[in-house]
Amino acid sequence: DQQVKQNSPSLSVQEGRISILNCDYTNSMFDYFLWYKKYPAEGPTFLISISSIKDKNEDGRFTVFLNKSAKHLSLHIVPSQPGDSAVYFCAASAETSGSRLTFGEGTQLTVNP
Amino acid sequence: DSGVTQTPKHLITATGQRVTLRCSPRSGDLSVYWYQQSLDQGLQFLIQYYNGEERAKGNILERFSAQQFPDLHSELNLSSLELGDSALYFCASTPVPENSPLHFGNGTRLTVT
Repeated sequence: DQQVKQNSPSLSVQEGRISILNCDYTNSMFDYFLWYKKYPAEGPTFLISISSIKDKNEDGRFTVFLNKSAKHLSLHIVPSQPGDSAVYFCAASAETSGSRLTFGEGTQLTVNP
Repeated sequence: DSGVTQTPKHLITATGQRVTLRCSPRSGDLSVYWYQQSLDQGLQFLIQYYNGEERAKGNILERFSAQQFPDLHSELNLSSLELGDSALYFCASTPVPENSPLHFGNGTRLTVT
């Protein structure tokens, strides 16, 4: 039972353009959502989060959008840079589970110079 | 550098053997989480400890066990190893179990031959 799903295994964009990574979830108890970035041979690094009481959170070039009715969230990166090339994981947690996260499978983003 | 230290980085062993993976959380963090990432999969939650006590269990096999010591470091013991146990094993920590981003170590890559 995959409760958090990232349907695109890979995404390729040109430097300077927008990258949009998508994530869907099925568990309506999830109330906190996070994006992690992972480079090869390193652990996932926290990028940005959003609580279910909001529909948008912005941090510099990164914006996360949450559509609760559709159980969908997305991460926008503008402008994309070659250093953003990494695997991006969507994750979710419920109030009852504390910081225990359920992860999606990840999307490999490649930003071409 | 997340401040979470995992050793060893790589481990190669044979089927049927037993190994121990070690994790030192960030200074001041009381809660430790273990995750498993198999090839091309998302991270699967295994087990969580808080201040030395088991807090939650996920999809952890009976052949696997863990503990958190008084100095807050944690060990994950994997026994009767099978080929399918080959994976990346990540440790993460947070100050408290409530909602806050997990900080991950760089993982231990286990190869069972």
